[in-house]
Amino acid sequence: DTAVSQTPKYLVTQMGNDKSIKCEQNLGHDTMYWYKQDSKKFLKIMFSYNNKELIINETVPNRFSPKSPDKAHLNLHINSLELGDSAVYFCASSQRGSSGNTIYFGEGSWLTVV
Amino acid sequence: AQTVTQSQPEMSVQEAETVTLSCTYDTSESDYYLFWYKQPPSRQMILVIRQEAYKQQNATENRFSVNFQKAAKSFSLKISDSQLGDAAMYFCAYRNNFGNEKLTFGTGTRLTIIP
Repeated sequence: DTAVSQTPKYLVTQMGNDKSIKCEQNLGHDTMYWYKQDSKKFLKIMFSYNNKELIINETVPNRFSPKSPDKAHLNLHINSLELGDSAVYFCASSQRGSSGNTIYFGEGSWLTVV
Repeated sequence: AQTVTQSQPEMSVQEAETVTLSCTYDTSESDYYLFWYKQPPSRQMILVIRQEAYKQQNATENRFSVNFQKAAKSFSLKISDSQLGDAAMYFCAYRNNFGNEKLTFGTGTRLTIIP
């Protein structure tokens, strides 16, 4: 069973559209994250939720809105998509105080905006 | 703010040989974790190895080991007996040991294995 799963894995959409990426973890972790990997492969945190509460919001445009209905799910909604939003988006999770606070990643969602 | 630097954008090694990937970091904290993640062409982020800053002993995982020099803020990854499946991007990452701190990544090193 996949520990951190995200859908869709690939997404091609036009500028101006709104799209969502869903993420679920079955590890029982209390914290979930969204990371963005740009075309130069640089990985950067976007958001983090702990027990459904937003704890990290890293200067991300407000077109990006995370939503955590419960601690096992963290979805990412993007409004008015722009060309620069093309990237791989990784969902991840961790458990405070466990396994060296290791963060486990999903397989990534490859978003292409045309 | 913490920073992580990987000064080798690309490295290559002959199959079965040993290669070392470099990583340095900057922090004012004393309690933290360091990680190496592997990203093959599939884009999956795979944890390779983890080091707790309070442990003096270097972590090892099969063919992978680290050289952790806390005073020098250096955390290199050694891959022994390189295999074709080791070809990937390797990212060094730092995380504070409190709260739910984010991972800060280096820019990555692309490792090529020469048959």
